[in-house]
Amino acid sequence: AQKVTQAQTEISVVEKEDVTLDCVYETRDTTYYLFWYKQPPSGELVFLIRRNSFDEQNEISGRYSWNFQKSTSSFNFTITASQVVDSAVYFCALSEARRGSEKLVFGKGTKLTVNP
Amino acid sequence: EAGVAQSPRYKIIEKRQSVAFWCNPISGHATLYWYQQILGQGPKLLIQFQNNGVVDDSQLPKDRFSAERLKGVDSTLKIQPAKLEDSAVYLCASSGGQGGGELFFGEGSRLTVL
Repeated sequence: AQKVTQAQTEISVVEKEDVTLDCVYETRDTTYYLFWYKQPPSGELVFLIRRNSFDEQNEISGRYSWNFQKSTSSFNFTITASQVVDSAVYFCALSEARRGSEKLVFGKGTKLTVNP
Repeated sequence: EAGVAQSPRYKIIEKRQSVAFWCNPISGHATLYWYQQILGQGPKLLIQFQNNGVVDDSQLPKDRFSAERLKGVDSTLKIQPAKLEDSAVYLCASSGGQGGGELFFGEGSRLTVL
């Protein structure tokens, strides 16, 4: 069975600090996809990134970066120079790589509060 | 491009009453999902449709929950009778159905059962 663990329930930082959100996953599939979603107070889940299990290259997008390590089954997310607008709940998710299926298994989320 | 539309945004009912939620996915998206998100937890899949057929409803409490997508577009999720533990946000999502792609979520319908 697939499982995603986000051990950090809540994190609070001061603006401009860097923050890393941890994600550890379990799956028996050899091919799978990993995702990060952001859920602001409005409630809508906003897609941030998708990573294929065969692609272990780290990725940077502006202030966001992701570190995928298959050896430790981790897919961590770092926000550099955090801003108040980054305050939200962040979810890590896992899906099987099967045509016609984007079923996601989510972690419990990490609530990030960025204080001015 | 219009996003996933859901209604109502909020609903308060007494236990044992019934409620229905509506979802209109992104145009052309063949696959539609209903997720339940209890406060403080991640979303949990309830049911997956591919066009108007059910692909996976293994986690749907079928004694009280039902869902349909009759014409392969809009979908309705019904709860009857509601229990206190059904208080949650019900999220609808859609995708192109190619596999491994991005899910597009609506803003959700928040249900409070008293």
